[in-house]
Parts: sequence; structure tokens; C-alpha cells
Amino acid sequence: DQQVKQNSPSLSVQEGRISILNCDYTNSMFDYFLWYKKYPAEGPTFLISISSIKDKNEDGRFTVFLNKSAKHLSLHIVPSQPGDSAVYFCAASFYGQNFVFGPGTRLSVLP
Amino acid sequence: EAGVAQSPRYKIIEKRQSVAFWCNPISGHATLYWYQQILGQGPKLLIQFQNNGVVDDSQLPKDRFSAERLKGVDSTLKIQPAKLEDSAVYLCASSRDSATPSSGNTIYFGEGSWLTVV
Repeated sequence: DQQVKQNSPSLSVQEGRISILNCDYTNSMFDYFLWYKKYPAEGPTFLISISSIKDKNEDGRFTVFLNKSAKHLSLHIVPSQPGDSAVYFCAASFYGQNFVFGPGTRLSVLP
Repeated sequence: EAGVAQSPRYKIIEKRQSVAFWCNPISGHATLYWYQQILGQGPKLLIQFQNNGVVDDSQLPKDRFSAERLKGVDSTLKIQPAKLEDSAVYLCASSRDSATPSSGNTIYFGEGSWLTVV
């Protein structure tokens, strides 16, 4: 039973354009959501997060949107850069515990 | 601030052998996690410690996996005997405190210990 889903295994985007990575969850008890970026041979690195009391959080080129009614969140990267090429994991948690990760989306930003 | 430290980075063992991984969390972080990441999948929680007590080990295969966190700081994860399907990256992570509302509680990962069982 996958509680956090990332239905696109991979995504290719041209440099300078917008990258949109999507994530869906099934458990309505989740109240905090995070995005992690992972380069090959490294551990996941925290990127950005959002609490369930918000619908948007922005940090530089990265914006996360949360639609609670649809149980959907998305990560927007604008403008995309070649260094953004990595695997992106969506994660959800409840009351600071039980961090559940999605399977990841591999983003390739083409020069 | 030093990050989460893990060792060894890489390990190759034969099936039925044993292996141990070590983790030192970020200083001051009360909660420590061990995740297993199989190629092409997201990290899966094996065990979560709050200080030196176990919070969640429901997905830990207890017939072969064990973990401890003596003194509430460092932790070791052991696999004995190893199976081919244990080939994965074992990620240690830590966070300040899991026993609080989750807003602002972020987990930070180490670089991982890559295990290949042949």
C-alpha cells in the first residue's frame, strides 16, 4: 500500500524552463510534506517543506504547492538548471513521525 | 554543523555472512532513523529511535536485522545472515525531536552505506 505516490518516474526539461514534479498521498492524517533531492552516490538532501496549514511555500527557485482536498502536492523549479538534474523524493509525515517517502522522480535538465 | 556520519560507505559480502553499519547523528538530534533504499525505490523506514528507545520497528525484519542506539547517540544496524535481497543503500537520518508537531521537523540524511550481497 503506497501512501505516497510519484507517478512520473522521469521528467526531462530544457534549461531555463519550468520543472513541475508531482506527488499524491492517500493518508489525510499527514500534516507535513517535504521534498528531497538525491544525486548519485549521495544521501537525500532536504530541499523544501510545507505544513498542511499552508498551500504554498517558496524558497528561491523552488516553490511547493499543496492541495489538501486533492491530496496532491507539486514542486516547481523556475528556472531549471543543469545542476538540478537529480532524483526528487516527496515525503509526508504525521506529527513529526512516520516519514513516508515516494518512489522518486528522476529530473533531467537539458542544456 | 557536522552532518550525519555513516560507515562504511561500501560493503560487499556473501550471502549468509553478517555486516554492521554505524551511524553518528547530528549533534543534539534526539531522533535517529535507519532507512533501506532499494534501487529505483524510495527510502523505506526500518527503525526509528527517540533517544535510546525504539519508537517504530514495525518494518524491521527482526529475524535477521537488529539495531541499537546505546547512550542515545551513535547507532549500529546489523544484518545476520544476509540475503541477496538485502542489497540496498542503508541510510541513517536524524531529526531534532519527533515528539512534537511536525511543522518544522526535518530529517537529515547521511551519505548512506551501500551493501551488495553476492
